[in-house]
Amino acid sequence: AQSVAQPEDQVNVAEGNPLTVKCTYSVSGNPYLFWYVQYPNRGLQFLLKYITGDNLVKGSYGFEAEFNKSQTSFHLKKPSALVSDSALYFCAVRDTTDSWGKLQFGAGTQVVVTP
Amino acid sequence: EAGVAQSPRYKIIEKRQSVAFWCNPISGHATLYWYQQILGQGPKLLIQFQNNGVVDDSQLPKDRFSAERLKGVDSTLKIQPAKLEDSAVYLCASSLGDISSYEQYFGPGTRLTVT
Repeated sequence: AQSVAQPEDQVNVAEGNPLTVKCTYSVSGNPYLFWYVQYPNRGLQFLLKYITGDNLVKGSYGFEAEFNKSQTSFHLKKPSALVSDSALYFCAVRDTTDSWGKLQFGAGTQVVVTP
Repeated sequence: EAGVAQSPRYKIIEKRQSVAFWCNPISGHATLYWYQQILGQGPKLLIQFQNNGVVDDSQLPKDRFSAERLKGVDSTLKIQPAKLEDSAVYLCASSLGDISSYEQYFGPGTRLTVT
């Protein structure tokens, strides 16, 4: 069975400071990993994914994430946060052995960026 | 390219009533998902269709929830009768469904309140 943990319910950061949102995962096989963002009253919006290759992946809006297999982590980062980055962020994992592509989501981390 | 469409956006019903949600996926997407997102939690997969066949409904409360995907395009999710604990946002997502399509694209969701 696959699972995702986002240990922080909320992350507070000042605008211009680095932003990190943590995610750890557990799968039987190898993982495909994703980050999604959700703004109020909106659906989930895809940010980035790790499938294979370079452990550092770059995505939309200046976000990046680093896959660390030994620590089973996939933390989301942004060098300089914007007030507009305030939203709910979800990490998700898919086991590569699952041919139907079922995603397991974490509980989400609320990011609050203050001016 | 048009995104995933869902209707209605909001619905308020009393317990024991029935409700139905509609989803139109992105054109050409073979895989369609329905998720339930309870406040403060990540999305939970209810049912997954590949074309018009069900490939995973293990977390669908089949005594009250049903879903269909006629002709492999639009889908409806029905709850009958509704319970208070069904209050949630119901998200529809779609993906290409082939081995190289990893991202799921989400609609805006339907917010259901059961009183």
